[in-house]
Amino acid sequence: DIQMTQSPSSVSASVGDRVTITCRASQGVSTWLAWYQQKPGKAPKLLIYAASTLQSGVPSRFSGSRSGTDFTLTISSLQPEDSAAYYCQQADSFPLTFGGGTKVEIK
Amino acid sequence: QVQLVESGGGVVQPGRSLRLSCAASGFTFTAYAMHWVRQAPGKGLEWVAVISSDESDKYYADSVKGRFTISRDNSQNTLFLQMNSLRPEDTGVYYCARAMGRSSPQSRYFDFWGQGTLVPVSS
Repeated sequence: DIQMTQSPSSVSASVGDRVTITCRASQGVSTWLAWYQQKPGKAPKLLIYAASTLQSGVPSRFSGSRSGTDFTLTISSLQPEDSAAYYCQQADSFPLTFGGGTKVEIK
Repeated sequence: QVQLVESGGGVVQPGRSLRLSCAASGFTFTAYAMHWVRQAPGKGLEWVAVISSDESDKYYADSVKGRFTISRDNSQNTLFLQMNSLRPEDTGVYYCARAMGRSSPQSRYFDFWGQGTLVPVSS
């Protein structure tokens, strides 16, 4: 199975800050990676797929990138509504696996 | 608009069975693969199973293989998850989710999710 290691587990930042979350795959997954946002008590929401493609309706302050087996989700200017947990997910092969999650808090 | 509504959750004793349902609307159900994803209380997301649009392909997480069965009724636009031999570690919120695309790997992303149904496994 492909293991997804996500870091940090939590981050606290101010409105307007740039926030970066990293996800490392235990083996190559090409660009088959997605990022989801989950707010408390709600279902996850797809933000980015294919490592860097923004899902329709997602604000452009969210972006994704890849370097080998390392993937990054960047929020360019943190907004209050971005307080949530974020998860990466590999779509290369079954079983599909998620990272452990990153909780983003607003200072 | 796309809607997914799960039902069937509730408290169940270890070793017993439960069947979850997910009613789909707002899209052509027969054209999409469907997934189940679960989340233990206060924990992260865990993919559980997928079924192709025509039921010809099914895949499971190792943690549920042999105990859970995914199925669908395309005439009723409904997805199911039959859960047998339940364990305390199966406790969590179970979400049904639509596959984003009709072919791989897009079908391995989840673009619409239900609100989830809670399954506590406890004696």
